[in-house]
Amino acid sequence: DAGITQSPRHKVTETGTPVTLRCHQTENHRYMYWYRQDPGHGLRLIHYSYGVKDTDKGEVSDGYSVSRSKTEDFLLTLESATSSQTSVYFCAIKRGEGEETQYFGPGTRLLVL
Amino acid sequence: RKEVEQDPGPFNVPEGATVAFNCTYSNSASQSFFWYRQDCRKEPKLLMSVYSSGNEDGRFTAQLNRASQYISLLIRDSKLSDSATYLCAVNPVPSFNKFYFGSGTKLNVKP
Repeated sequence: DAGITQSPRHKVTETGTPVTLRCHQTENHRYMYWYRQDPGHGLRLIHYSYGVKDTDKGEVSDGYSVSRSKTEDFLLTLESATSSQTSVYFCAIKRGEGEETQYFGPGTRLLVL
Repeated sequence: RKEVEQDPGPFNVPEGATVAFNCTYSNSASQSFFWYRQDCRKEPKLLMSVYSSGNEDGRFTAQLNRASQYISLLIRDSKLSDSATYLCAVNPVPSFNKFYFGSGTKLNVKP
């Protein structure tokens, strides 16, 4: 158990509304990641963070922003949700420079109507 | 071209069978490789890392073939509980902290 929680676990929202997903970790890990998972596409990296206020884009970052104001929290924001952002969102952490393994949170299921 | 590709399956095998999956990667400089297991509606969980010399953990064996740019996962004596989707992941260089995942191979082990 890597001590990762995500909230909310399920959300239904309407097109055009802002949505923020939260990833919280209890073990002070430096690296945090947001992925989305869709059928046929697998896990795709949205954004990741390598420290407080340090973030970088992944392969599918359009329409998403992130913030990390403290080590334990990594927020993913959909500024104006679209139906194409309906997906399962997973947060992950990497324990350190010499440790390559990623550990995942339980996921958030988002439905944009 | 995708960074990582997998046969989506499903692979339907009887209990006790041996089954193997491959995963190809496009970046020849890739350094780190992993197999994850994902149960339905759950998060991926690390199954094993893949080292240059191969890696074995009980009934599971992972191999790396750098010349052909693929990794493999072999499951011997399949159990019903092995039914899941198996994802491969690659951490290519120079994007040291970014991981690319395949779309997964679904395994169904039947009684």
